Amino acid sequence: GESVGLHLPTLSVQEGDNSIINCAYSNSASDYFIWYKQESGKGPQFIIDIRSNMDKRQGQRVTVLLNKTVKHLSLQIAATQPGDSAVYFCAENINTGNQFYFGTGTSLTVIP
Amino acid sequence: EPEVTQTPSHQVTQMGQEVILRCVPISNHLYFYWYRQILGQKVEFLVSFYNNEISEKSEIFDDQFSVERPDGSNFTLKIRSTKLEDSAMYFCASSEAGGVAQYFGPGTRLTVL
Repeated sequence: GESVGLHLPTLSVQEGDNSIINCAYSNSASDYFIWYKQESGKGPQFIIDIRSNMDKRQGQRVTVLLNKTVKHLSLQIAATQPGDSAVYFCAENINTGNQFYFGTGTSLTVIP
Repeated sequence: EPEVTQTPSHQVTQMGQEVILRCVPISNHLYFYWYRQILGQKVEFLVSFYNNEISEKSEIFDDQFSVERPDGSNFTLKIRSTKLEDSAMYFCASSEAGGVAQYFGPGTRLTVL
């Protein structure tokens, strides 16, 4: 199967600091990526996406960076808030296929 | 904001019984999906559905599983003869097209005893 992994299973940050969550992927054919946020007891919530023809995309307080050379994806959250505490997954898609391959997730804890 | 809904939120069943998990995708979406997440593990793809037929399925989606769109709004996952290892969160998702953002429902927690 495909391999999408995360470098760190847990991350703790102080409220107001910036957070960086990393993801490594193994399939060079992957061309579309999504970051999802999953709060306890809820489904994955779309945060931001990026296609392989881009290396950076910004949303509200979030930025995704894609480095295709080393097959690495990161999610940056600016001014992290307690409501950002959740598990964050990267998911990859290959050639506009139907399935996304999810990583194992990073648990972000924001310390007030 | 439109969202995917799922019922029930929690289903408890005895091993060997059949269960049907229900989903209402976002109304203008054309592609529908089921994923599952065993506690503490990755979200895993089960199946995608488009134009009233399965378009892709994973190894997990064996003959025990089936999907159906019985009407214009519902999308169901049936699990025949449930096994203990079927216990998981089951998420429905939908998208406007293939290879674009998929939006997930809140999930159904299935517990097989």
